[in-house]
Amino acid sequence: KQEVTQIPAALSVPEGENLVLNCSFTDSAIYNLQWFRQDPGKGLTSLLLIQSSQREQTSGRLNASLDKSSGRSTLYIAASQPGDSATYLCAVMTDKLIFGTGTRLQVFP
Amino acid sequence: GAGVSQSPSNKVTEKGKDVELRCDPISGHTALYWYRQSLGQGLEFLIYFQGNSAPDKSGLPSDRFSAERTGGSVSTLTIQRTQQEDSAVYLCASSLNPPAAYEQYFGPGTRLTVT
Repeated sequence: KQEVTQIPAALSVPEGENLVLNCSFTDSAIYNLQWFRQDPGKGLTSLLLIQSSQREQTSGRLNASLDKSSGRSTLYIAASQPGDSATYLCAVMTDKLIFGTGTRLQVFP
Repeated sequence: GAGVSQSPSNKVTEKGKDVELRCDPISGHTALYWYRQSLGQGLEFLIYFQGNSAPDKSGLPSDRFSAERTGGSVSTLTIQRTQQEDSAVYLCASSLNPPAAYEQYFGPGTRLTVT
C-alpha cells in the first residue's frame, strides 16, 4: 500500500531563508508527483508536477526534485517570503492522487 | 478560463439528513475526482470518473455515499443519512485525459458540518 510522508510537519522561519521540504513515498510505481499549496480555508493550488521520467521541475522561486528509485522528492523554496506561508502537500499519482499529511510553513517578517 | 467550481461552499446539516454536493469541472476535462479532507486526517480519495463512468469507487467510505456524473461534466456527490463523522471538506478535482499524465486542478471545496 502506497504511503506518503512529509517532513517536517511544521516549519517557522524568518523571511529570506532558503527552505527544503521533504516528501517520501513507499512504492516507486508512480506516474508523477505533484506539489500543492493550501491556504487556510481554501482549496489546493498546484505548484509543480514532475513526471516519473523527470528529475526536477522549476517555477520561479520553487524547484522540485524527484528520485523515484529512492522514493523521495524535495521542494526547494528560495528566498522565502511571508506570502509563502501555507501548508504544502505532496501527492503521488498512481490511479489516483495519494497525499502526504503536509508541511505547515510560516514565514515571518 | 474558469477553474473548478463547487457548491455550496458551506453546508450545515442535521444528523440523519441527506446532502448533495456539486462539482463543475474545467471545460474539456474528462477526468473528475472527489476527495475528502477531515480534521486531523489527510486528504483521502473517494471516487474517480472517466467521462460518465466511475472505474474506481474504492474510496467511498460506506454505502451512504454515492456519486454520479452526467454529460461528462457536472458531478454530484450524495451523502445519505449523514453522520457526524461525515463532517469534512469535500474537494473536487479535474484533469485532462489520460489523467496520470496531467495535473489535477482542485476546486475550493465544500465544508460540510453535521450537527
